Amino acid sequence: DAKTTQPPSMDCAEGRAANLPCNHSTISGNEYVYWYRQIHSQGPQYIIHGLKNNETNEMASLIITEDRKSSTLILPHATLRDTAVYYCIRTSGNTPLVFGKGTRLSVIA
Amino acid sequence: SQTIHQWPATLVQPVGSPLSLECTVEGTSNPNLYWYRQAAGRGLQLLFYSVGIGQISSEVPQNLSASRPQDRQFILSSKKLLLSDSGFYLCAWSAQQETQYFGPGTRLLVL
Repeated sequence: DAKTTQPPSMDCAEGRAANLPCNHSTISGNEYVYWYRQIHSQGPQYIIHGLKNNETNEMASLIITEDRKSSTLILPHATLRDTAVYYCIRTSGNTPLVFGKGTRLSVIA
Repeated sequence: SQTIHQWPATLVQPVGSPLSLECTVEGTSNPNLYWYRQAAGRGLQLLFYSVGIGQISSEVPQNLSASRPQDRQFILSSKKLLLSDSGFYLCAWSAQQETQYFGPGTRLLVL
């Protein structure tokens, strides 16, 4: 049980921001929210993670609601190479990740 | 920087044959190591994880086994492959309580 809920698929126009939502309403105080993506036939790639503050790196931004029950991964300027399955995972660290079905993001030219 | 290797990249094996997949990590010591499997069109399933040499935890009972003979080496094995063992096998590593990083994977087809 992944314990997170994501839409099965989303489309985004190339060059626009892609906003991928995730619901984790039962998250515990010591659990982080991690995002990975898996491009076809490759291993999952780490994107970003956070506990309660918003985070930004060179790949994406992570917005976590104040009650921590949901979050949004933002790819500011989506490209065709961002087409992948995106996984939102909650974990307390030092434990194996539990992957759900993720969101299949299709970036369209 | 740290690097994770898996080999072979692809493998075709007959039913009933043995299996050995290898994963090695460079640039770190005492990593946590993980084996996952992804069946066609399915999500990632954790198979085994290890927090140290000789320490293996199994998540799913099956005809696969794992071993960690050295600090940065993790091996997935089977004595007799089944058709249902086909899939994409991924190794991952993490420092203690840190982010997991995945290898390139091995695609196994059992015929």
